[in-house]
Amino acid sequence: AQSVAQPEDQVNVAEGNPLTVKCTYSVSGNPYLFWYVQYPNRGLQFLLKYITGDNLVKGSYGFEAEFNKSQTSFHLKKPSALVSDSALYFCAVRDNTGQSSYKLIFGSGTRLLVRP
Amino acid sequence: DGGITQSPKYLFRKEGQNVTLSCEQNLNHDAMYWYRQDPGQGLRLIYYSQIVNDFQKGDIAEGYSVSREKKESFPLTVTSAQKNPTAFYLCASSEGWTVYEQYFGPGTRLTVT
Repeated sequence: AQSVAQPEDQVNVAEGNPLTVKCTYSVSGNPYLFWYVQYPNRGLQFLLKYITGDNLVKGSYGFEAEFNKSQTSFHLKKPSALVSDSALYFCAVRDNTGQSSYKLIFGSGTRLLVRP
Repeated sequence: DGGITQSPKYLFRKEGQNVTLSCEQNLNHDAMYWYRQDPGQGLRLIYYSQIVNDFQKGDIAEGYSVSREKKESFPLTVTSAQKNPTAFYLCASSEGWTVYEQYFGPGTRLTVT
């Protein structure tokens, strides 16, 4: 079965330090991967995606993600965290099964807390 | 949230009543989706529609119904058959076959008592 795992419910980091939010996936075929961010009582905002090409993908708000095929991972990173980065982050993968290719499978989310 | 509107932001209903959540997009996207979000469970897909007049059940369609009569509109009805309707409901859209990222509306928080 295709799935996405975000192994950490919460990540705590001090402002100015680098941050990593982990994501691993399991899909058939080539993975199409996404990161979204959600602020309280708001919809999800698209951050970045990996479809093909360079394993390091750059996205919005200074975030980037590294695709690692051998480890089936797509970790979200930022060199220097801001307090305003505190939010809920979701990793997602495209459902590659037959007619479902419009669907995304979402992880359970990781709450990022950046301390001043 | 730009381009996708959901109304109302908060909705309160009594048990046993059907309720319809609105979702409109002006992005000219072909595909639209409804998700349910519960604390600690991420997003679960209720229904999706790839084109007008066509829609498919998602992972948790029981107790819900949808229609897609216009490209820009994808309303969701939460029926009295839905056992635990209290949740945060998110509508999304995507451009089509070769563009996969979905864009989300601001959500509707439904409380049923």
